[in-house]
Amino acid sequence: QKEVEQNSGPLSVPEGAIASLNCTYSDRGSQSFFWYRQYSGKSPELIMSIYSNGDKEDGRFTAQLNKASQYVSLLIRDSQPSDSATYLCAVITNDYKLSFGAGTTVTVRA
Amino acid sequence: SAVISQKPSRDICQRGTSLTIQCQVDSQVTMMFWYRQQPGQSLTLIATANQGSEATYESGFVIDKFPISRPNLTFSTLTVSNMSPEDSSIYLCSVGGGVSDTQYFGPGTRLTVL
Repeated sequence: QKEVEQNSGPLSVPEGAIASLNCTYSDRGSQSFFWYRQYSGKSPELIMSIYSNGDKEDGRFTAQLNKASQYVSLLIRDSQPSDSATYLCAVITNDYKLSFGAGTTVTVRA
Repeated sequence: SAVISQKPSRDICQRGTSLTIQCQVDSQVTMMFWYRQQPGQSLTLIATANQGSEATYESGFVIDKFPISRPNLTFSTLTVSNMSPEDSSIYLCSVGGGVSDTQYFGPGTRLTVL
């Protein structure tokens, strides 16, 4: 079983819609969770971190964490064409290393 | 967050040669990491660069192929040795880490091996 799994993409949403990205992880002891955005040809850029169960909002982004279900998600509200990118879920495992999911490519249609 | 630079930004190399990639941070950091991102894939940790001691390598990566130096708290190098086309990837350094510390990535080095 992979340590971090993301819902398969690509995900195409119309401009203004909500994009929903999902991620599950296998290490029940994980405490730190991150979402990175990666534009084509660029390096990953941190957009959200979350450490506690529940929701965390930052602008148009909301991260949701459910440790009991080992599930973390990212919602992008009012999606814009500039949100078109690959989104990487990352989890710090119990040996303090960052493990990445395969990524979900999002395309926002104008 | 720290400002991270990498050199070179890209290179095209012949098989059998070696390339050294530099990672420079504008402040002292405890943890530095090297990742590989193969075409169309996610990031894979190569090793943790430890200041003053040997790097800690992940399964599937060995020091002879990917020697790493960490002479101080702001600088590290990764060498890709005896390259083959399979080494064509983006190589990224990052800083941060620990239980809750966020990792920030450098701009990456895009390597093509012919």
